[in-house]
Amino acid sequence: QSALTQPASVSGSPGQSITISCTGTSSDVGGYNSVSWYQQHPGKAPKLMIYEVSNRPSGVSDRFSGSKSGSTASLTISGLQAEDEADYYCSSYTISGTHVFGTGTKVTVL
Amino acid sequence: EVQLVESGGGLVQPGGSLRLSCAASGFPFSTSWMTWVRQAPGKGLEWVANIKPDGSDQNYVDSVKGRFTISRDNAKNSLYLQMNSLRAEDTAVYYCARDKRAARDYWGQGTLVTVSS
Repeated sequence: QSALTQPASVSGSPGQSITISCTGTSSDVGGYNSVSWYQQHPGKAPKLMIYEVSNRPSGVSDRFSGSKSGSTASLTISGLQAEDEADYYCSSYTISGTHVFGTGTKVTVL
Repeated sequence: EVQLVESGGGLVQPGGSLRLSCAASGFPFSTSWMTWVRQAPGKGLEWVANIKPDGSDQNYVDSVKGRFTISRDNAKNSLYLQMNSLRAEDTAVYYCARDKRAARDYWGQGTLVTVSS
């Protein structure tokens, strides 16, 4: 049950696009289409941004999109805005019947 | 409006016990998988445990197996986490969340558990 691997930080200027990777194994990310992404602002509870690899919950901006290739999932934020500055976590179902989160990525808007 | 309200956190000595509660409203609790997630101070999210709608199946992260027990009372729309043999590394904010389609779509505000002598 090792945490999924994410870059510690990603930054971009307003209006740019950034991509956060989430690398696992064939026992989690690579084996299931059950990857989700969460946004967390300081002192707040996480918010679901993407579920089942690429689906957006109602109310989430279409600037957020998800994809997966093999054992690596990705979250892309297009048209970066100041309010997107936050921590982002991926999560996946695992072969053990549990779930695992990624190490987290701090997004900075320059 | 969906609400998840955790309670029961506090300061406990190493080796002690604590029971967290999560009161749910605004969605069909009795047909929902439910999850506990924790976050140590300044650290990332850690999935802790989840429980099937009827309570017949539970899953745990290895680090809490044998020490924590997740349970629910569908008549009271409540989720619980019984934590025994607490260690310093269990210090964290504990969130309850609803599971839907293998994701946590609704979250509570969290309750802080501090394990220290």
